[in-house]
Amino acid sequence: EDQVTQSPEALRLQEGESSSLNCSYTVSGLRGLFWYRQDPGKGPEFLFTLYSAGEEKEKERLKATLTKKESFLHITAPKPEDSATYLCAVQARDKIIFGKGTRLHILP
Amino acid sequence: DTGVSQDPRHKITKRGQNVTFRCDPISEHNRLYWYRQTLGQGPEFLTYFQNEAQLEKSRLLSDRFSAERPKGSFSTLEIQRTEQGDSAMYLCASSREGDTQYFGPGTRLTVL
Repeated sequence: EDQVTQSPEALRLQEGESSSLNCSYTVSGLRGLFWYRQDPGKGPEFLFTLYSAGEEKEKERLKATLTKKESFLHITAPKPEDSATYLCAVQARDKIIFGKGTRLHILP
Repeated sequence: DTGVSQDPRHKITKRGQNVTFRCDPISEHNRLYWYRQTLGQGPEFLTYFQNEAQLEKSRLLSDRFSAERPKGSFSTLEIQRTEQGDSAMYLCASSREGDTQYFGPGTRLTVL
């Protein structure tokens, strides 16, 4: 069964304290792995798509990496405005399957 | 680029009533998806359209739920005889075929 597991469920960091969020997946025929950011009461906002093991993408303080079994979202020197829920999803055939997300809280 | 829009943003209804939500996708996107999200969970797939054809429906989509995309542009999701368990955020997303999905702001449904 296709499955996505994110860890940790929640993470509190001090401003400037770098860390990584994990997304492990099992899927037959991965067609893409996605990272989204979601603020409370809003729809997910697209961040990155990764297609193959070894691929990396960067945007401001965020960097996403992909292996054959997991993906990491690295956040470098985070700011309070980076506080949000970060969702990982995998595309299997024509639909995408989401994990439950990691709630990230950056303390000033 | 106006993005994906959804209407209404919030809906409060009484149990047993019917509700309808609308989604307007990004104009050049031929695929449109509906998801449901409850507190503390990721979005769960409900159904999707390619142009006007509904290609897949989740087991989550009971016979009280129906979705349409009559002209391959906007879509509607109707829930008949609402139940308290239907309370959730209903999300719409659109994409070009096989490409990244972009989400709308969602419609939050509360069933009293």
